[in-house]
Amino acid sequence: GAVVSQHPSRVICKSGTSVKIECRSLDFQATTMFWYRQFPKQSLMLMATSNEGSKATYEQGVEKDKFLINHASLTLSTLTVTSAHPEDSSFYICSAPGGAMETQYFGPGTRLLVL
Amino acid sequence: QKEVEQDPGPLSVPEGAIVSLNCTYSNSAFQYFMWYRQYSRKGPELLMYTYSSGNKEDGRFTAQVDKSSKYISLFIRDSQPSDSATYLCAPGRGAQKLVFGQGTRLTINP
Repeated sequence: GAVVSQHPSRVICKSGTSVKIECRSLDFQATTMFWYRQFPKQSLMLMATSNEGSKATYEQGVEKDKFLINHASLTLSTLTVTSAHPEDSSFYICSAPGGAMETQYFGPGTRLLVL
Repeated sequence: QKEVEQDPGPLSVPEGAIVSLNCTYSNSAFQYFMWYRQYSRKGPELLMYTYSSGNKEDGRFTAQVDKSSKYISLFIRDSQPSDSATYLCAPGRGAQKLVFGQGTRLTINP
């Protein structure tokens, strides 16, 4: 149980375009999901907390107008990187709390490359 | 000072060795202590978790938490090449409020 999927697994786009990444909890419901970014050889940095039915909560320094989050249902959260630039190239990972301890279960990640 | 400090390695040991991975943290309010394993280009997977202080054992893995010294350890016995990955410690005030260490890259050599 507690499987989280992400789509796409990798995406290459041109600078200035927008990219949408989906995060789904496959066998459980998640009113909250988390979005992380991970640069090479660095740890996960929390970007924002996605809340079903309400606005996302962004961490300090994360531009909410650039990283749009929509938690459309109890099993789906989307992250849209708007007007992507090469510095946005990174590994984006989502997670959702599940199980008895409400521990975080991570998706497989989405590798974004902006040219 | 970072909230969580973890030696990034890389750490390379022979197969069968005992591996010790460690983290220190600064926030005394942390009550949840997680260890995640991340293979290259994959999302992290939960390996072990403990609540408050003490030890927890699961097969070849043992997690230790010493809240008095704010020190977290993960021990791997009889290490296998398949254990080669990056190990992330993640303490937090709650299971949903984790702070991740930098991760230690571990290689087990056959």
